[in-house]
Amino acid sequence: EDKVVQSPLSLVVHEGDTVTLNCSYEVTNFRSLLWYKQEKKAPTFLFMLTSSGIEKKSGRLSSILDKKELSSILNITATQTGDSAIYLCAARPNAGGTSYGKLTFGQGTILTVHP
Amino acid sequence: NAGVTQTPKFRVLKTGQSMTLLCAQDMNHEYMYWYRQDPGMGLRLIHYSVGEGTTAKGEVPDGYNVSRLKKQNFLLGLESAAPSQTSVYFCASRLGPIGHYGYTFGSGTRLTVV
Repeated sequence: EDKVVQSPLSLVVHEGDTVTLNCSYEVTNFRSLLWYKQEKKAPTFLFMLTSSGIEKKSGRLSSILDKKELSSILNITATQTGDSAIYLCAARPNAGGTSYGKLTFGQGTILTVHP
Repeated sequence: NAGVTQTPKFRVLKTGQSMTLLCAQDMNHEYMYWYRQDPGMGLRLIHYSVGEGTTAKGEVPDGYNVSRLKKQNFLLGLESAAPSQTSVYFCASRLGPIGHYGYTFGSGTRLTVV
């Protein structure tokens, strides 16, 4: 059974701090690891990582995949109150067979940034 | 484009009542999914569909049924609601087996069963 585990489950920091969120996965025929940010409503896409060791960056957020360790991290530097959200990671198997693009999600990390 | 639209946004049901959640997408996506989200458990797949007229079970299908009579609509039914089905339900869609940007999500339906 495919499994994705995130840590920590919750994190409280102050503005300006840097945070690192972790995601580990056990997925048959792994293809990609995706990160989402969820505020009040639907998750919104942040990154998709397919190749190991290549950092993806968007502003203060960055993420990297380690296929050897079956894990990924999401870094947020100089955090702001607007970064407060649930951060979800999800593993995607290869297309084809019976996977049908189903994503397996982790539990999420609740990040709270205080002013 | 509206993207993925879920109705209703909120609902309170009594135990044993039935209801249908509607998901509609206007992007001509083949694949559609229903997830539920509970605190500390992430999103769990209930049912999914890979095309009009097809449905399949996900990780937590018990107590739910689905139908995909039209490509743009994916309905999730609760025949006899139970308090354990109190959750936030998300519908999602994607174009098909290729393409790599994950899903397009609806804004969710918050269901409370009392």
